[in-house]
Amino acid sequence: AQKITQTQPGMFVQEKEAVTLDCTYDTSDPSYGLFWYKQPSSGEMIFLIYQGSYDQQNATEGRYSLNFQKARKSANLVISASQLGDSAMYFCAMRDITFTGNQFYFGTGTSLTVIP
Amino acid sequence: NAGVTQTPKFQVLKTGQSMTLQCAQDMNHEYMSWYRQDPGMGLRLIHYSVGAGITDQGEVPNGYNVSRSTTEDFPLRLLSAAPSQTSVYFCASSYSTGTNEKLFFGSGTQLSVL
Repeated sequence: AQKITQTQPGMFVQEKEAVTLDCTYDTSDPSYGLFWYKQPSSGEMIFLIYQGSYDQQNATEGRYSLNFQKARKSANLVISASQLGDSAMYFCAMRDITFTGNQFYFGTGTSLTVIP
Repeated sequence: NAGVTQTPKFQVLKTGQSMTLQCAQDMNHEYMSWYRQDPGMGLRLIHYSVGAGITDQGEVPNGYNVSRSTTEDFPLRLLSAAPSQTSVYFCASSYSTGTNEKLFFGSGTQLSVL
């Protein structure tokens, strides 16, 4: 079973508008971390935001916020006031520690295009 | 700050050749890992290490070997390259093994196996 599911292969958003990138996760462990990374066309992986499973409030980092709905096992990324530089691939990830190991699981990514 | 350094950035191999992808970090990170990125597949974990002398398999370990003799270095060895190993490889590390620790990534190695 997929640990991280991103169902939107591609998304378009108008410049200055907000956009939500979907992410659902699967774990039975009470302690886990959720992360979003951005990969521009240059290829590097850039950390955006983190949410812990015990955090009561949604994480925010500048124009990025994470809409964390624990009961639904979703961790959607919201980008407000989109900019042309936001055009990139976005990956949702979960860090999980089980008896089988300490691993990050990544989704298949969402390609975001910001339209001027 | 160098961070996580991967070499080489590009490599072309012939089927059956062996090679080592180098990864070094200067942040005294406990955890190091290797991923491969293929179109439509996201990043998949190959091997990881939670400290010097300790390694473990990830999701796609076949065809790859690792060792961790020092905290700083975590090389990835391809023993007999196959076309299926054509991919972009990322090395990544984190300060510790906690679930709140983010990964720091190297710049990637684009590998083609002919």
